[in-house]
Amino acid sequence: GAVVSQHPSWVICKSGTSVKIECRSLDFQATTMFWYRQFPKQSLMLMATSNEGSKATYEQGVEKDKFLINHASLTLSTLTVTSAHPEDSSFYICSATKSNQPQHFGDGTRLSIL
Amino acid sequence: DAKTTQPPSMDCAEGRAANLPCNHSTISGNEYVYWYRQIHSQGPQYIIHGLKNNETNEMASLIITEDRKSSTLILPHATLRDTAVYYCIVRGVGDDKLIFGTGTRLQVFP
Repeated sequence: GAVVSQHPSWVICKSGTSVKIECRSLDFQATTMFWYRQFPKQSLMLMATSNEGSKATYEQGVEKDKFLINHASLTLSTLTVTSAHPEDSSFYICSATKSNQPQHFGDGTRLSIL
Repeated sequence: DAKTTQPPSMDCAEGRAANLPCNHSTISGNEYVYWYRQIHSQGPQYIIHGLKNNETNEMASLIITEDRKSSTLILPHATLRDTAVYYCIVRGVGDDKLIFGTGTRLQVFP
């Protein structure tokens, strides 16, 4: 099956720093990648949709200047949490898909801001 | 996208079939039913999807009612490793988004 790799799997950093998370589709070219956030005991919440070579589309209530998304190639998308604060601590998950195919998910990045 | 309704939790004995229901009464003709599951602290895993015919793969079977207003995911012989939250999601053709609801927490016990 399709493999999506996410890195790092776990990160702790100080408040005010920026954190970059990478999402790679390892065995297929993804036309679209998605970023989700999941708080404890809650469901996944879609943050943004990212297409290669174009600007990401953010869901309502998600700050685009806070969560920078770059999708430079068909196999790589990055999410940068800028000036992170404790309330940004969460489980961030990416997924990748080709048109009309099922989304395949990475194993997530657990972000803890001190 | 059509909204789905699932029971919040279910139990199943190891080795028995787990039947997870999902209601999607407002589904429209070009919307697919997708099932994913999420094991604790991992990303969701794709299980199966279908439009109107029943589907089966190595993981599960998907039974969709004739009126398409509900479906059932069947894990034929549940194991302890099938303990997870199972999400039923309706997705339209040409719409790549998945909107996750609260899912069903399946607990498989020995």
